[in-house]
Amino acid sequence: DSGVTQTPKHLITATGQRVTLRCSPRSGDLSVYWYQQSLDQGLQFLIHYYNGEERAKGNILERFSAQQFPDLHSELNLSSLELGDSALYFCASSVLDSFNEQFFGPGTRLTVL
Amino acid sequence: AQTVTQSQPEMSVQEAETVTLSCTYDTSESDYYLFWYKQPPSRQMILVIRQEAYKQQNATENRFSVNFQKAAKSFSLKISDSQLGDAAMYFCAYRSAMAGGGADGLTFGKGTHLIIQP
Repeated sequence: DSGVTQTPKHLITATGQRVTLRCSPRSGDLSVYWYQQSLDQGLQFLIHYYNGEERAKGNILERFSAQQFPDLHSELNLSSLELGDSALYFCASSVLDSFNEQFFGPGTRLTVL
Repeated sequence: AQTVTQSQPEMSVQEAETVTLSCTYDTSESDYYLFWYKQPPSRQMILVIRQEAYKQQNATENRFSVNFQKAAKSFSLKISDSQLGDAAMYFCAYRSAMAGGGADGLTFGKGTHLIIQP
């Protein structure tokens, strides 16, 4: 158990819908990263938040957005969902945005029908 | 942009033997970090080993060691005395150490599926 929690574990929805994935980092970790793992694209970095502020964007679509709240939990919002958005979404946390290990959560499996 | 290449989609090894997984990367940066992550069937991402580019000494963690060749941009993982529990997908990952680059996430390779034959 990495100490990072993600909810829900599984999510099934339809095209065009909007979903929110939630991540709670390890106690004391200020950085939250979101990753997408799909068969087509592999593991891709989406976005990084540090202590409530956006720090870096990776291959995140405009239909996707994220935020980190004062209690440091983070939410990834996916809208206008397409079949190709079906993937495993991981969040990871670390103490700082440095060499510190990123601890991964168990992931949320999103299926878009 | 940095890229990470794992040229072996699948590797198979007999239990108790040694196996080496290959990874090459492309970057114009001089300072960075390299990682190997393991993803078992549970899908949990687990850090196996990490290497700082400025360190010449290869990292070692119990049965896991790396062969880091900075000039060749190569970062292979050696697993000694393979165990059934080592069966998993293994991902090589790169992370910039540049100012601001530390805010970037990990860049992953496509992975190598490691099969352990009993």
